[in-house]
Amino acid sequence: GAVVSQHPSWVICKSGTSVKIECRSLDFQATTMFWYRQFPKQSLMLMATSNEGSKATYEQGVEKDKFLINHASLTLSTLTVTSAHPEDSSFYICSATGLFSEGYTFGSGTRLTVV
Amino acid sequence: EDQVTQSPEALRLQEGESSSLNCSYTVSGLRGLFWYRQDPGKGPEFLFTLYSAGEEKEKERLKATLTKKESFLHITAPKPEDSATYLCAVQAEETSGSRLTFGEGTQLTVNP
Repeated sequence: GAVVSQHPSWVICKSGTSVKIECRSLDFQATTMFWYRQFPKQSLMLMATSNEGSKATYEQGVEKDKFLINHASLTLSTLTVTSAHPEDSSFYICSATGLFSEGYTFGSGTRLTVV
Repeated sequence: EDQVTQSPEALRLQEGESSSLNCSYTVSGLRGLFWYRQDPGKGPEFLFTLYSAGEEKEKERLKATLTKKESFLHITAPKPEDSATYLCAVQAEETSGSRLTFGEGTQLTVNP
């Protein structure tokens, strides 16, 4: 079945620094990738949608200059949290879908802690 | 605006005690309804996609059904390893970018 690999699984960074999270589709071409944020005991909140080769579409209230999304190839998308602050601490999850994949496949998530 | 409501928020069962989780939805036109399982600290794991009212799908102890207003996830004779949060999501026909709208989830605990 379709597999999405997300790295790192957890990261701790200092306030003011930037962190990059990678999301790779291993066995299919991901034409569209999604980035979510999840707070404890809450559901997934969509942050942005990216199509390969195009600029990401951000949800209302999500700062595009703070959460940089790149989807330069059909197998890789990255989320960079710039100038991270403690309030950015959260669980970030990517998801991908492609022409020959069923539904939406999720990565394993990244726990970001900003200290 | 698309809306998804899941109930109950939490459910505690004894091993072998069958039950159902509910997902009520409101969309302009349903393209697909998805069920996922999520374990703590992990990404959601795909279970089922349902496309039209009357459709049913099964996988081991799980069975998903769909009507025009809601979906049920039936769990037959659950085991402790079925403990997880179960998420329901919908994709609307007119949704731009193929986005999913998620419910808040049902946290299931199965005691041995």
